[in-house]
Amino acid sequence: GNSVTQMEGPVTLSEEAFLTINCTYTATGYPSLFWYVQYPGEGLQLLLKATKADDKGSNKGFEATYRKETTSFHLEKGSVQVSDSAVYFCALSDRSGNTGKLIFGQGTTLQVKP
Amino acid sequence: DTAVSQTPKYLVTQMGNDKSIKCEQNLGHDTMYWYKQDSKKFLKIMFSYNNKELIINETVPNRFSPKSPDKAHLNLHINSLELGDSAVYFCASNQGTGELFFGEGSRLTVL
Repeated sequence: GNSVTQMEGPVTLSEEAFLTINCTYTATGYPSLFWYVQYPGEGLQLLLKATKADDKGSNKGFEATYRKETTSFHLEKGSVQVSDSAVYFCALSDRSGNTGKLIFGQGTTLQVKP
Repeated sequence: DTAVSQTPKYLVTQMGNDKSIKCEQNLGHDTMYWYKQDSKKFLKIMFSYNNKELIINETVPNRFSPKSPDKAHLNLHINSLELGDSAVYFCASNQGTGELFFGEGSRLTVL
């Protein structure tokens, strides 16, 4: 079945460091791919998305490119801030049965220190 | 004007009790979901309703019963609560296969 695998956390960085959170997926067909962010005590918010191969999603300085050849959607940011500390989830849309549900990776906790 | 709202935000109860969590969305979406997030932050889908019709029912104990009185509401009732039911339950909605909008979560603690 469809699945998403993220790099293990926690990831601890100093402010202004470069961030990469790896995400790979297994899917039949051509799913849409998403990154969601969960700040402490809150629900998940969409960070960015890409709907087809080679699309680049971007928002708030974060970027991810849909790579079909490597089945990856790695999240990157050039210079992280303390306010970026959160849990990041990679997800894909499971189009089987056309239910619209999202399948999530296990989440990666990012801690940014001043 | 919260798009997806859940109540209560926190729920502490004893084993064996029955409790409900309510969810409402004002986005006009046809599809609503319940996800469970465990202590390790792992998110797993439980149920989905499309316009009041159940379309997803993952392997969930039948102590969990969703109810959708209309397409803007999806409630979750849990009977005979167990320690392992302690988690954060998230309601979400979307239209078709688009972006999911999440509520803020309901943290259930079973003692």
